[in-house]
Amino acid sequence: NAGVTQTPKFRVLKTGQSMTLLCAQDMNHEYMYWYRQDPGMGLRLIHYSVGEGTTAKGEVPDGYNVSRLKKQNFLLGLESAAPSQTSVYFCASSYSIQSVRYNEQFFGPGTRLTVL
Amino acid sequence: SQQGEEDPQALSIQEGENATMNCSYKTSINNLQWYRQNSGRGLVHLILIRSNEREKHSGRLRVTLDTSKKSSSLLITASRAADTASYFCASLGNDMRFGAGTRLTVKP
Repeated sequence: NAGVTQTPKFRVLKTGQSMTLLCAQDMNHEYMYWYRQDPGMGLRLIHYSVGEGTTAKGEVPDGYNVSRLKKQNFLLGLESAAPSQTSVYFCASSYSIQSVRYNEQFFGPGTRLTVL
Repeated sequence: SQQGEEDPQALSIQEGENATMNCSYKTSINNLQWYRQNSGRGLVHLILIRSNEREKHSGRLRVTLDTSKKSSSLLITASRAADTASYFCASLGNDMRFGAGTRLTVKP
């Protein structure tokens, strides 16, 4: 199993450009998440999904959109990139036991995004 | 705002010594998890402790949880150079909140 994969690994954008980050998991997990990690701030949740076709806002959703058309994929979109969105983006997935969310999360390797 | 805060921000020890990292959180939680991150890599889950548990062990890891003080600690015994990494606590209340992490360096 590949676990959680993310593409691309690196990307440089100019202010105002758009892009989509792709996350894929092959563990049949119901839950998927997008985080951003900035120096000295740990991880902050952007958006998450509790199942195919459903998404919800996290702690820092502004400037991002997501879609979960297939159970195994979770896409993060930046419609008009800003320098403040320069960060490392991590995708994660998790299963559910007895409807308890946020059990052990499995993380992808990250995407390093720079917005000039 | 972040839910958890780790203490210390950085810790440097010799191989074979024990490493203790602390985490504080702000609201009631369902569980608290510890993760490890090697430089430039994703996070790896280490251990989960539920709100009704006070202590948990996994190999060289020992986690304690004090819900009255809203704090947790992670102890790594007999540290190895390969334990060098950043360690994050993540508390689950209404959602998951990560702390800023402790950067652990184990010198051979």
